[in-house]
Amino acid sequence: EDQVTQSPEALRLQEGESSSLNCSYTVSGLRGLFWYRQDPGKGPEFLFTLYSAGEEKEKERLKATLTKKESFLHITAPKPEDSATYLCAVQASGGSYIPTFGRGTSLIVHP
Amino acid sequence: DSGVTQTPKHLITATGQRVTLRCSPRSGDLSVYWYQQSLDQGLQFLIQYYNGEERAKGNILERFSAQQFPDLHSELNLSSLELGDSALYFCASSVGQGSADTQYFGPGTRLTVL
Repeated sequence: EDQVTQSPEALRLQEGESSSLNCSYTVSGLRGLFWYRQDPGKGPEFLFTLYSAGEEKEKERLKATLTKKESFLHITAPKPEDSATYLCAVQASGGSYIPTFGRGTSLIVHP
Repeated sequence: DSGVTQTPKHLITATGQRVTLRCSPRSGDLSVYWYQQSLDQGLQFLIQYYNGEERAKGNILERFSAQQFPDLHSELNLSSLELGDSALYFCASSVGQGSADTQYFGPGTRLTVL
């Protein structure tokens, strides 16, 4: 069974304090790994898709990286508006194309 | 704005009732997915339709059903509602059947069952 574990469950940072969120996964074969941002009561907003180990993608203060067992979402010099829950989802090769979502990391950035 | 629309935004109803949630996918997307999100369960996949046909089924209760119409909009029907059905319901859409497709989510419908 595919598994996705995100850590930490919650993270509090001061504005400007860089950190990383972790998404570790267990799948028979990786087709794609997705990162989403979700604000309270809103729908998940797509951030990145990563397909193979070694791949990196960046968007503003966010950078996603991928290895064979985990992905990191690095947040550089965060601002209060980066506060949200960050969700990771993994799509396995073969079988159903439905991604498995992690429980998310709740990030709060204090001014 | 993802381009996926959902109506209504909020729904308050009583136990035993039936409700219908509506979703319009992004222009050009053929797949529609339904998810349920509650505080203790996270994002749970319910069902996927691709170009009008059911493609994948998750942990969808027998009291729940869905369909995708020729114009590609989709409806999720929830019947014999229970208190535990209170949750956020999201619709997502993607271009293809799902292989490495990015899913774009709508704003959700918040269902409250009293």
